[in-house]
Amino acid sequence: RKEVEQDPGPFNVPEGATVAFNCTYSNSASQSFFWYRQDCRKEPKLLMSVYSSGNEDGRFTAQLNRASQYISLLIRDSKLSDSATYLCVVNVGGTASKLTFGTGTRLQVTL
Amino acid sequence: EAGVTQFPSHSVIEKGQTVTLRCDPISGHDNLYWYRRVMGKEIKFLLHFVKESKQDESGMPNNRFLAERTGGTYSTLKVQPAELEDSGVYFCASSQELAGVAGYTFGSGTRLTVV
Repeated sequence: RKEVEQDPGPFNVPEGATVAFNCTYSNSASQSFFWYRQDCRKEPKLLMSVYSSGNEDGRFTAQLNRASQYISLLIRDSKLSDSATYLCVVNVGGTASKLTFGTGTRLQVTL
Repeated sequence: EAGVTQFPSHSVIEKGQTVTLRCDPISGHDNLYWYRRVMGKEIKFLLHFVKESKQDESGMPNNRFLAERTGGTYSTLKVQPAELEDSGVYFCASSQELAGVAGYTFGSGTRLTVV
């Protein structure tokens, strides 16, 4: 079983739609959680950290459920520029140096 | 501020040859990390330097991989001899503070193809 599981997609949505991605992690000792965005043939870039109380950054909302070991990302009012692969990333054991990545969920926003 | 620079951006080598990847971190960043993405798989941690010392090399696949960080500045990752399964994208990242993942900046990667 992978340490971080994501639905690979692709998710094809029209502009303006709301889309949600989910992620589960296996290590209950995980301490920090993030969503990264990766464009085709580019490096991953931090989209947002995920906090237990849930957090929002503009059109993006992230939620964490520690009991279920589940992380989500909601994107409202999708833009064409949101098309990318979204990586669920977990930091295990409190060592910030070692990130564990999911395989990513591909999003394609269309006109 | 210059970002994390990786060289070369692409490399195609034959099985059995040697390849050396280079990473120049952001100036002043003590922490330097190597990650790798093999096609169809997730990005995986390889190792972490703090200055010139290896802090964690638990992700290194085998002894064909050798990483160095001379003088705590740039780092090299040598693969010798290369095998077909080494093909993938090798990312380097750097950060100033261990606890601040938000300060983790990735380079654009080296795409390695072993034929």
